[in-house]
Amino acid sequence: KAGVTQTPRYLIKTRGQQVTLSCSPISGHRSVSWYQQTPGQGLQFLFEYFSETQRNKGNFPGRFSGRQFSNSRSEMNVSTLELGDSALYLCASSFGSRSYEQYFGPGTRLTVT
Amino acid sequence: AQTVTQSQPEMSVQEAETVTLSCTYDTSESNYYLFWYKQPPSRQMILVIRQEAYKQQNATENRFSVNFQKAAKSFSLKISDSQLGDTAMYFCAFIDTTGNQFYFGTGTSLTVIP
Repeated sequence: KAGVTQTPRYLIKTRGQQVTLSCSPISGHRSVSWYQQTPGQGLQFLFEYFSETQRNKGNFPGRFSGRQFSNSRSEMNVSTLELGDSALYLCASSFGSRSYEQYFGPGTRLTVT
Repeated sequence: AQTVTQSQPEMSVQEAETVTLSCTYDTSESNYYLFWYKQPPSRQMILVIRQEAYKQQNATENRFSVNFQKAAKSFSLKISDSQLGDTAMYFCAFIDTTGNQFYFGTGTSLTVIP
């Protein structure tokens, strides 16, 4: 079974631009969670989707948004990029309505200049 | 609120030796799951081991085992016969059975020395 895939793997943007990251979960998985990982803050939870509905949201500004499609693929969008948004963005998928075991993708490395 | 604490930012161990990584957590829930994840330098996060709080028996996966002390809210990871491929960042994580959000510790960077 293929693992979680994330595209693109690397991205360079300038301040003020917006960016969309994509995540394809493991086949059959219906829950997708997004995390921001930085050296100083560790893993910070962004949001979680299950069956196209956002069930949980972390403490991030409204510039960070996401959605999930009927095939469980998910996208996250960051508008008006700031230098501090530079990070590794990780996506994780899990099977059921309770995300007891998450499987992570390789991440998208976003650099904002 | 749930919190997960890893008090050892960095550790090192000689190849073939045993090392223990510490993790404590705080929750008022009685049913929950605990995990150890490994993130090698390539950055792909991998699930190492999982423990269900209602199970008293400590989980074991080959060279990896945990010491789960529910009353003390402690969940340490023991790596036996350390190998060079064990060099990675290790994250302790928690989720309760009512929520949909994982809580991660800040990680412990483990280096296995040849």
